[in-house]
Amino acid sequence: GAVVSQHPSRVICKSGTSVKIECRSLDFQATTMFWYRQFPKKSLMLMATSNEGSKATYEQGVEKDKFLINHASLTLSTLTVTSAHPEDSSFYICSASPLPGAYEQYFGPGTRLTVT
Amino acid sequence: GNSVTQMEGPVTLSEEAFLTINCTYTATGYPSLFWYVQYPGEGLQLLLKATKADDKGSNKGFEATYRKETTSFHLEKGSVQVSDSAVYFCALRDLEYGNKLVFGAGTILRVKS
Repeated sequence: GAVVSQHPSRVICKSGTSVKIECRSLDFQATTMFWYRQFPKKSLMLMATSNEGSKATYEQGVEKDKFLINHASLTLSTLTVTSAHPEDSSFYICSASPLPGAYEQYFGPGTRLTVT
Repeated sequence: GNSVTQMEGPVTLSEEAFLTINCTYTATGYPSLFWYVQYPGEGLQLLLKATKADDKGSNKGFEATYRKETTSFHLEKGSVQVSDSAVYFCALRDLEYGNKLVFGAGTILRVKS
């Protein structure tokens, strides 16, 4: 149980285009979802927290107009990287929690984004 | 602010060797501490946790003790297996900071047969 999927697992896009990454909780309802970014040899950095049906809460330094997060249902959250640039290339990981807040988080396998 | 520091990898061991991955933390409150494991191609999974000083978390032969005096939460296993090869992340969660998870950089473990 408690499986979280991400799609796609790997994406390459051209500079200036937008890319959407999906995060789904497959066997539970996720009241809260989290988006992380991981740089090579660096820790996971929390980008934003989203609750179903409300606006995401972004961490300091994360551009909300660049990283659009939608949590439209209890099983799906999407992260859209708008007007992507090479510096946005990274590993993006989502997690989902069946309870409000971050009590227990179940992680997706991650999406590797490469912007050329 | 809160932070987690763990030893750089990769750590390469032979099967049945003893494993230690060091983790220290900085926190203003009284955090809960976690070890997550990420196997190739999979998401992070909670390996073990400890919620207060002197607690010992254990799972699948792995152990870690919450040491407040040294602000450490080192991961140990007496005899590693090839199937333990993965990336291990130390993390903390501090209620004073919105209950968010703060991760270390991760340590790659490679076990050779």
